[in-house]
Formats: sequence, C-alpha cells, structure tokens
Amino acid sequence: SQELEQSPQSLIVQEGKNLTINCTSSKTLYGLYWYKQKYGEGLIFLMMLQKGGEEKSHEKITAKLDEKKQQSSLHITASQPSHAGIYLCGADYTGNQFYFGTGTSLTVIP
Amino acid sequence: SAVISQKPSRDICQRGTSLTIQCQVDSQVTMMFWYRQQPGQSLTLIATANQGSEATYESGFVIDKFPISRPNLTFSTLTVSNMSPEDSSIYLCSGRQEPTGELFFGEGSRLTVL
Repeated sequence: SQELEQSPQSLIVQEGKNLTINCTSSKTLYGLYWYKQKYGEGLIFLMMLQKGGEEKSHEKITAKLDEKKQQSSLHITASQPSHAGIYLCGADYTGNQFYFGTGTSLTVIP
Repeated sequence: SAVISQKPSRDICQRGTSLTIQCQVDSQVTMMFWYRQQPGQSLTLIATANQGSEATYESGFVIDKFPISRPNLTFSTLTVSNMSPEDSSIYLCSGRQEPTGELFFGEGSRLTVL
C-alpha cells in the first residue's frame, strides 16, 4: 500500500554490524507485522506489534512500535549472512485487511 | 502456527487460458487473503476472502479477472482468468491465526504466462 513506506530500500552491511529498518504509516495502525522473505521463497513471520510503545525481541532481532502506532523499526544486532533477505513490514489498519510495505533488501557481506 | 498447503507451486501457462490456485489450511481460519508479488516487488493485496460471503477486492482487481471461492473455513481458491504475460507473478494465500492475530502464508504459486 502507498500508505506504508519502508526505508531504506536496500542495505548492504558487513557481517557483525548493526542495522535498522524503518516502516512508516500515514495512518494509525491496528497492528504491525514484520516478515522476512528469502529470495524466491515464502514469508517467515518474525514479530507482531499491537500496542503503542511495544517492543519485542527474538534472538538478535528487535522490533519496536512507537507510541502513536504509526512507525516501527526493526533492529538487527551483530548481523550474520543468515540475516540476508527481504524484510517486509505489514500493516493491519482495521483488523481485517493487511497491506505490505515496499520491502528492504538486506545483504550481509561475510 | 497453522500451515497452508498451496498448489501448484509453479506453472507455465499460455496466454488466454485460466489457472486455479488452491490453498488448504490445516485448521479453521475465518479470514483468508490473496496477494500478488510481482518480480522484485512487495506483496499487493488482491482480495479478502471470508467464508460465507463474497470476496472483497482491492482497487485495481476485479472479480471477473480473479474469481475467488471460499467454500469452508479451511479452503480457498483463486483463479487467474484470461491470462496475459502481465499476470506473470507469484500468488500467495494467507490466513489470520486466532487468537494471536498472526498472518501466516502459503509457499506461493509462481506463475509464468507465455
């Protein structure tokens, strides 16, 4: 959806570096989802955030949703080649429609 | 989370023909969704399919081109009708898991139209 913007579009980092991907909505979110997609493969669910100010972590990936529920960030600590792929944020505006951001392509150089 | 079996995983079709994609979920889900992912792009929502009601289509997608069936809470189909090369894409179905709200996906159907 044009209402959901991701940045950056692509990211190339050296292994071990930290990185952040942002997702901004023009409207208040009911919920925000983060997915990872390996090239040519299906989507892997990472995290779902629903409350303003919520933060969740899984292994080296942390996602936050701001208090206004319009912006989320995904932070990867000490990146590894296994983190490479396309990261997608998905917006739930009404509880029954889900739209995806433009995607961020991550390359991790060993 | 629930698992969706989607088929075909890929197909090569001739212009002007139609193809039906099937998604079978291993548990009951109220809401299912169909997406298209064109090469190098993100997912675009085609329609929402709830059991017992007609699918709700997003702007730019029409029922005549993408008819959807949702006969029960574990199954849905999407037909791509009168295909053209512009329909070449990956088509994905998804369902919403309750009560977590997680959106889970099938593996996708990669369609090439010649």
